[in-house]
Amino acid sequence: SQQGEEDPQALSIQEGENATMNCSYKTSINNLQWYRQNSGRGLVHLILIRSNEREKHSGRLRVTLDTSKKSSSLLITASRAADTASYFCATHQGAQKLVFGQGTRLTINP
Amino acid sequence: DSGVTQTPKHLITATGQRVTLRCSPRSGDLSVYWYQQSLDQGLQFLIQYYNGEERAKGNILERFSAQQFPDLHSELNLSSLELGDSALYFCASRGKESWLTFGSGTRLTVV
Repeated sequence: SQQGEEDPQALSIQEGENATMNCSYKTSINNLQWYRQNSGRGLVHLILIRSNEREKHSGRLRVTLDTSKKSSSLLITASRAADTASYFCATHQGAQKLVFGQGTRLTINP
Repeated sequence: DSGVTQTPKHLITATGQRVTLRCSPRSGDLSVYWYQQSLDQGLQFLIQYYNGEERAKGNILERFSAQQFPDLHSELNLSSLELGDSALYFCASRGKESWLTFGSGTRLTVV
């Protein structure tokens, strides 16, 4: 079963705009992770936010975590064509199993 | 290059056949994870090994099996293949950090 669910399933914006993706999860977590996948390629880890953190930044990425609502958001600022990809959130289900959501497919239009 | 090596990159085989996918983790990583990604689907967790021992199991079919060898490489064996097994199969490894490093995947096509 999927632990995380991303919303929206697909997002299309103009280059330079900001993109926001959301993730909801079901059980308590130690951390939540975001990954990017370019078409047909392996996933790449972007950022990890711990359960005691509310916000984290990495370059143009900003992640927030609301444990009371069991949700997280990923904001990509000043989007670029190279940001076109699918974005997944992931949480641990048990100590070992890392479970991914269905992903948000982001398209940046020039 | 992520440091996780998967072979082969592409595999085309007939229904009913058996294939073996191979994964070499990043140097020093003891954990290996296997995932299946069907077309336009998210990643389905299959199985995880740590230093040769199975640690977690997901929705892995009985026709599928895996193992991790003493040199830490891992193999995923898929047998009695069906059309629906066509997918991308990813291996990922994990060291002391909490996140995974993925290989580039094996694209399996069953015809």
